[in-house]
Amino acid sequence: EIQLQESGPGLVKPSQSLSLTCSVTGYTITSGYDWSWIRKFPGNKMEWMGYISYSGSTNYNPSLKSRISITRDTSKNQFFLQLNSVTTEDTATYYCAINYPGFSFAYWGQGTLVTVSS
Amino acid sequence: DTVLTQSPALAVSPGERVTISCRASESVSTLMHWYQQKPGQQPTLLIYLASNLESGVPARFSGSGSGTDFTLTIDPVEADDTATYYCQQSWNDPWTFGGGTKLELK
Repeated sequence: EIQLQESGPGLVKPSQSLSLTCSVTGYTITSGYDWSWIRKFPGNKMEWMGYISYSGSTNYNPSLKSRISITRDTSKNQFFLQLNSVTTEDTATYYCAINYPGFSFAYWGQGTLVTVSS
Repeated sequence: DTVLTQSPALAVSPGERVTISCRASESVSTLMHWYQQKPGQQPTLLIYLASNLESGVPARFSGSGSGTDFTLTIDPVEADDTATYYCQQSWNDPWTFGGGTKLELK
């Protein structure tokens, strides 16, 4: 079974960078599909942030395009999120997920809360 | 961006039939998906591509619609269905989510 697990700091200072790791088991991220980051803000709004494909190409939400980078380490079967110049408005629970089936999200990590605060 | 509009909340009694709607600001063809999320948990996929039941999801859940109007139906509703339900489209870039419908049982 495919499993995803997010990890990273739970507290980030304003203007710094947020960095998260998604570790995948049960499937090799270079075998197929796209691998996304999604966040849920306090108050329940959800935002798709972007994905990295099995081939390594990326697609980002234009609202984040100047601040976001999604990369991967194929040797560790992990992909990463970096979000630069964070503000308190980036406080959210961050999820990684697989784009499957039909560009839905059938498998999610359990989520990690990131708070942006000084 | 494609805006997905959902009613904020619904209250139904166990055993009843409930429909949760999602209206898109522009056509999303049939690339509409539905999720259930309970507090403290990650979302769970219920329906993909408008009407396809995800494996392991009870047949009480069904989806319909195309273009701009979509519906998630639960029939009959059970106590365990208390949750927030989200629609999500993947036809137009960027992919977007609805604001969620909180389902409460009377």
